[in-house]
Amino acid sequence: GAVVSQHPSRVICKSGTSVKIECRSLDFQATTMFWYRQFPKQSLMLMATSNEGSKATYEQGVEKDKFLINHASLTLSTLTVTSAHPEDSSFYICSARGVSGQPQHFGDGTRLSIL
Amino acid sequence: AQSVTQLDSHVSVSEGTPVLLRCNYSSSYSPSLFWYVQHPNKGLQLLLKYTSAATLVKGINGFEAEFKKSETSFHLTKPSAHMSDAAEYFCVVSDLGNAGNMLTFGGGTRLMVKP
Repeated sequence: GAVVSQHPSRVICKSGTSVKIECRSLDFQATTMFWYRQFPKQSLMLMATSNEGSKATYEQGVEKDKFLINHASLTLSTLTVTSAHPEDSSFYICSARGVSGQPQHFGDGTRLSIL
Repeated sequence: AQSVTQLDSHVSVSEGTPVLLRCNYSSSYSPSLFWYVQHPNKGLQLLLKYTSAATLVKGINGFEAEFKKSETSFHLTKPSAHMSDAAEYFCVVSDLGNAGNMLTFGGGTRLMVKP
């Protein structure tokens, strides 16, 4: 089946650091990638949608200057949390989809802890 | 607009007994419906999907779900629970009319399996 690799799986860093999370589709071309945030014991909340070669579309309330998304190729999207603060600590999950109508395939998530 | 309600935040069953996880949805168009499973600190794994074909959908690991349009339900079942089924389960809807095929997640149901 389709595989999505997300790296790193866990990050612990100091406040003010910028953190980059990578999401790769290993065996298919991901036309669209999605970034989600999940707080403890809660469901996933969509942060942004990115199509290869285009600017990401951010959901209401998500700061695009805070959460930089790059989708430069059909197999790689990155999320950079700029100047991270403790309130940015969360579980971030990416997903990738080929053509429209196909299901999304999820990465294993990145647990970000900001001290 | 689309929405998903998972009626139980927690379900506890004994190993070997049936599992029922309830899900109701609302959708403006013909929906696609999915069930995903999430183990601790992991991403989401697709269990099964409904996309306007057979109303009884069989998935992996012995799970199945039935789409009932009249009841706007898509409940997940399994005849006999296994310890390894303990996880968080998400019911998800996507409108076929939504060009971005954006997913809307239910709040999740935590399944606990007692020995």
